[in-house]
Amino acid sequence: EAGVAQSPRYKIIEKRQSVAFWCNPISGHATLYWYQQILGQGPKLLIQFQNNGVVDDSQLPKDRFSAERLKGVDSTLKIQPAKLEDSAVYLCASSLSPEADTQYFGPGTRLTVL
Amino acid sequence: AQSVTQLDSHVSVSEGTPVLLRCNYSSSYSPSLFWYVQHPNKGLQLLLKYTSAATLVKGINGFEAEFKKSETSFHLTKPSAHMSDAAEYFCVVMLTGTASKLTFGTGTRLQVTL
Repeated sequence: EAGVAQSPRYKIIEKRQSVAFWCNPISGHATLYWYQQILGQGPKLLIQFQNNGVVDDSQLPKDRFSAERLKGVDSTLKIQPAKLEDSAVYLCASSLSPEADTQYFGPGTRLTVL
Repeated sequence: AQSVTQLDSHVSVSEGTPVLLRCNYSSSYSPSLFWYVQHPNKGLQLLLKYTSAATLVKGINGFEAEFKKSETSFHLTKPSAHMSDAAEYFCVVMLTGTASKLTFGTGTRLQVTL
């Protein structure tokens, strides 16, 4: 079974530029999560989707971050404009349902903002 | 509110000696608890989970953890460390419900020496 796929694996941008990350969850998983992991910290949930609807985006900085999952499968996370403090690893995870107790994580995208 | 505290940011052991990674939790409800491992440049992998069944939980690669409600602890152990165990370990709490959320600890970096 293929795991959660993410791209790109690494991205370096200047501050105030925009960037987008892509995630393809495990086939059949209805729930998709985006996490931000700052160096030296544990991952923090940014947004949770159930199919193509948002379940929880309370921790998403909506003035600069946006995410979508238009067809209920792939998802993109965008940052515009980026700030220095956005440097982090962005992790995508998926699960069968919101109630499922196991989330499967992708390898992450490491973003460096200069 | 739910949270976990990992008591050690860094643990160093010799190969073949026991491993103990400590985690205390705080939750108003009966929690689900997890340990995840993160190897460099790889995604988070589930080691084991506690979901109110047996208090001693066995996971992959010889790891196990014991849920102790009286001590609000969920420490991770392994009888004999291997070089391949060197990684970052995260203790995680989840409040089950219609939109399950994972709250991560700050992580413990395990170093294994010869």
